[in-house]
Amino acid sequence: QLVLTQSPSASASLGASVRLTCTLSSGPSDYIIAWHQQQPEKGPRFLMKVNIDGRHNKGDGIPDRFSGSGSGAERYLTISSLQSEDEADYYCQTWGSGIVIFGGGTKLTVL
Amino acid sequence: QIQLVQSGAEIKKPGASVKVSCKASGYNFITYGISWVRQAPGQGLEWVGWISPYNGNTKFAQKFQGRVTMTTDTSTSTVYMEVTSLGSDDTAVYYCARDNEAFEIWGQGTKVTVSS
Repeated sequence: QLVLTQSPSASASLGASVRLTCTLSSGPSDYIIAWHQQQPEKGPRFLMKVNIDGRHNKGDGIPDRFSGSGSGAERYLTISSLQSEDEADYYCQTWGSGIVIFGGGTKLTVL
Repeated sequence: QIQLVQSGAEIKKPGASVKVSCKASGYNFITYGISWVRQAPGQGLEWVGWISPYNGNTKFAQKFQGRVTMTTDTSTSTVYMEVTSLGSDDTAVYYCARDNEAFEIWGQGTKVTVSS
């Protein structure tokens, strides 16, 4: 079964950029994934879908600071000009063969 | 606007059942499936299952098959999820989400606490 692997934690300074990674156990593939943000004590919020070719479709109201890309078995979420409210858990999600899979999440700390 | 509004928090005893609702508004209800996702305290997101409001078809994660039921009421644009034989490890926040492959809209969550 497909597994999505994310680093448990990441950190970056206020105003800097950070790239979060979601790795597909299937190896290089054309899986589309979605990224979700979960701020402390809140529910998840859809950020975007990311295709293998780097095209991404954002949710309503998602700032331009958030972008997605992909290469081989990896899908990326890049956040530029980090703000304090970006401190959150970030989950990748994919689907196929009648099931949905989430990565374990990355806790992003803004220093 | 498009939103999913869930029912309120529940406290249940071990072995009991719980039924959570998710009311959709702002879009054509039967156009998109609804998935349920749960999050145990301090843990990540776990997919529970999916229902099609169009025809009532369902799919479940293997660990929930036989213990979770999902139904839909098109007259009120509401989806229901019932979990039976509750155990302490079912204590979690349960979210519904509009399923367009990606979960583009999320409900606010329903906290279910299982405690004797």
